[in-house]
Amino acid sequence: EVQLVQSGAEVKKPGESLKISCKGSGYNFISYWIAWVRQMPGKGLEWMGIIYPGDSDTRYSPSFQGQVTISADRSISTAYLQWSSLKASDTAMYYCVRRGVGWDFDLWGRGTLVTVSS
Amino acid sequence: QSVLTQPPSVSGAPGQRVTISCTGSSSNIGAGYDVHWYQQVPGTAPKLLIYGNSNRPSGVPDRISGSKSGTSASLAITGLQAEDEADYYCQSYDSSLSGSVFGAGTKVTVL
Repeated sequence: EVQLVQSGAEVKKPGESLKISCKGSGYNFISYWIAWVRQMPGKGLEWMGIIYPGDSDTRYSPSFQGQVTISADRSISTAYLQWSSLKASDTAMYYCVRRGVGWDFDLWGRGTLVTVSS
Repeated sequence: QSVLTQPPSVSGAPGQRVTISCTGSSSNIGAGYDVHWYQQVPGTAPKLLIYGNSNRPSGVPDRISGSKSGTSASLAITGLQAEDEADYYCQSYDSSLSGSVFGAGTKVTVL
């Protein structure tokens, strides 16, 4: 089955670091871009950035540049999203998504809920 | 404020037709970049509904259609059903941001 499996929900304190993961299976992981999309509580979708696992070419939305780091380990078909110092405003659902032939996102993970609270 | 503008909500009775607009600019839709649409049922991940302006992935019924003209795009749902009640998002590429952009979403309510 073609799928993206994301790591489980996280509860963290402000200032802590965090790395969440997204494992692809059922397709050639290194041949498709993987993006991360944020959805804050009760809000819409925001594109954060994207990585090509084949060569780790990475692009960021200006809104998220410097705030997060996107990486990938092609040997285990896994992409990552990490923070070095979380803020309460990072509380959100984070989706990893596969970019299709165009700039459409044709495969979505189920999301990782990150809660940052003191 | 989103780069792509959608109405916050639309509604219709079962069986009726509703349309959702998505208005962009010369750096995204107007530049010729494709528009894609997603459906998000509350509590679940979004799902691709229309790609490349008007193409339906396998499994999406043909009562759902998309179109694009100039700096705008539209999603139409005919024969509205209770299961269509969800949030709908348009998405495109923006050359000034060098990345993807989403509309703020439209909530469809079936009366």
